[in-house]
Amino acid sequence: DQQVKQNSPSLSVQEGRISILNCDYTNSMFDYFLWYKKYPAEGPTFLISISSIKDKNEDGRFTVFLNKSAKHLSLHIVPSQPGDSAVYFCAASAQGGSEKLVFGKGTKLTVNP
Amino acid sequence: NAGVMQNPRHLVRRRGQEARLRCSPMKGHSHVYWYRQLPEEGLKFMVYLQKENIIDESGMPKERFSAEFPKEGPSILRIQQVVRGDSAAYFCASSDSPQRAYGYTFGSGTRLTVV
Repeated sequence: DQQVKQNSPSLSVQEGRISILNCDYTNSMFDYFLWYKKYPAEGPTFLISISSIKDKNEDGRFTVFLNKSAKHLSLHIVPSQPGDSAVYFCAASAQGGSEKLVFGKGTKLTVNP
Repeated sequence: NAGVMQNPRHLVRRRGQEARLRCSPMKGHSHVYWYRQLPEEGLKFMVYLQKENIIDESGMPKERFSAEFPKEGPSILRIQQVVRGDSAAYFCASSDSPQRAYGYTFGSGTRLTVV
C-alpha cells in the first residue's frame, strides 16, 4: 500500500524552463512533507519542506505547493539548470510517528542544456 | 565537520553469510535512522535508534535483521543468513534531535549485493 505516490517516473525539461514534480499522498495523518534530491551513488539530500499548516514554501529557485484537500503537493524549480538533473523524492511524516519518513518512488528529472 | 559516514560503500556476500553495515553519525548526533532502497523503489524506513535504545523498529523484517547503536562506536545494521532479496542500497541518516522541518542528513549508503 503506497501512501506516497510519485506517478511520473521521469521528466525532461529544457534549461531555463520550469520543472514541476508532483506527489500525491493518501494518509491524512501526514502533516510534514519534504523533498529530497538524489544523485547516483549518493545519499538523498534535503531540499525543501512544508508543514500542513501552510500551502506554499519558497527557497530560492525551489517552491513547494501543498493542496491538503486534494492530498497533493508539487515542487517547482524555476529556472531549471542542468545541475538539477537528479532523482527527486517526495517524503511525508506524521506527528508522533517517530520522525520516520515515508518516501515515494522518485521522479528522475533531466534538464537539457 | 564530516557528514554521516557509512562503510563499506559496497559489500558482496554469498547467500547464507552475514552482512554488517556500519554508520557513524555526524558529530553530536544521537539519533540514527536506517532506510533500505530496493531497485526501482523509494527508500523504506527500517529502524530508528538513539544511543543504546531502539525507538522504532516497525520497518525491520522480523527475522535475520537486527540493529544497534552502542554508547561508543557506530551504529550497526546486521543481516544474518543473507538471501538474494536482501540486495539493496542501505542508507543511514542522523540528526541531533527529531527535526521534522529539515529532515535529517543521509550518508552515501552501502550497496549490498548477495550472490
